[in-house]
Amino acid sequence: GAVVSQHPSRVICKSGTSVKIECRSLDFQATTMFWYRQFPKQSLMLMATSNEGSKATYEQGVEKDKFLINHASLTLSTLTVTSAHPEDSSFYICSARDREGTQYFGPGTRLTVL
Amino acid sequence: EDKVVQSPLSLVVHEGDTVTLNCSYEVTNFRSLLWYKQEKKAPTFLFMLTSSGIEKKSGRLSSILDKKELFSILNITATQTGDSAVYLCAANTGTASKLTFGTGTRLQVTL
Repeated sequence: GAVVSQHPSRVICKSGTSVKIECRSLDFQATTMFWYRQFPKQSLMLMATSNEGSKATYEQGVEKDKFLINHASLTLSTLTVTSAHPEDSSFYICSARDREGTQYFGPGTRLTVL
Repeated sequence: EDKVVQSPLSLVVHEGDTVTLNCSYEVTNFRSLLWYKQEKKAPTFLFMLTSSGIEKKSGRLSSILDKKELFSILNITATQTGDSAVYLCAANTGTASKLTFGTGTRLQVTL
């Protein structure tokens, strides 16, 4: 099956710093990747759609200047949380879409901002 | 606004029982319905359903879609403790294939 990796799996940082999360599709090319966040015992909330070679599309209420997305190649998308604050602490999950439209998820990144 | 509703929210069964998880949806530009299993980390893909009435099966798990009633079910037979997880359904919509998730059904299988 399709494999998506995410790095790092866990990060703890101080308030005000920026954190970069990488999402890679390992065995297929993904023109579209998605970034979600999930709070405890809640479902996944789509943050943005990342398109290779073009600007990301952000969902309503998601600050594009705070959550910078870059999709530089068909196998890599990055999410940078800029000037992170404690309320940004969450589980961030990426997914990559294959040609049939199925989204395969990465293992997630748990961000804790102190 | 696109909406996906799952029921029940949680379920506790004994090992060996059969369970049915429900998912209804109201979305625009529907493309497909997906089921995922989420344990401690990110969701793992189970099924993608695009056509009504065609059952998809994988071992003890099966799923079917009713596009007229806007409904899908996920069946698990002979449940095992390893089936304990949150089961998520999601509607795939639009040209960008965005997923709208339901809140999930938390299944606990006890000995």
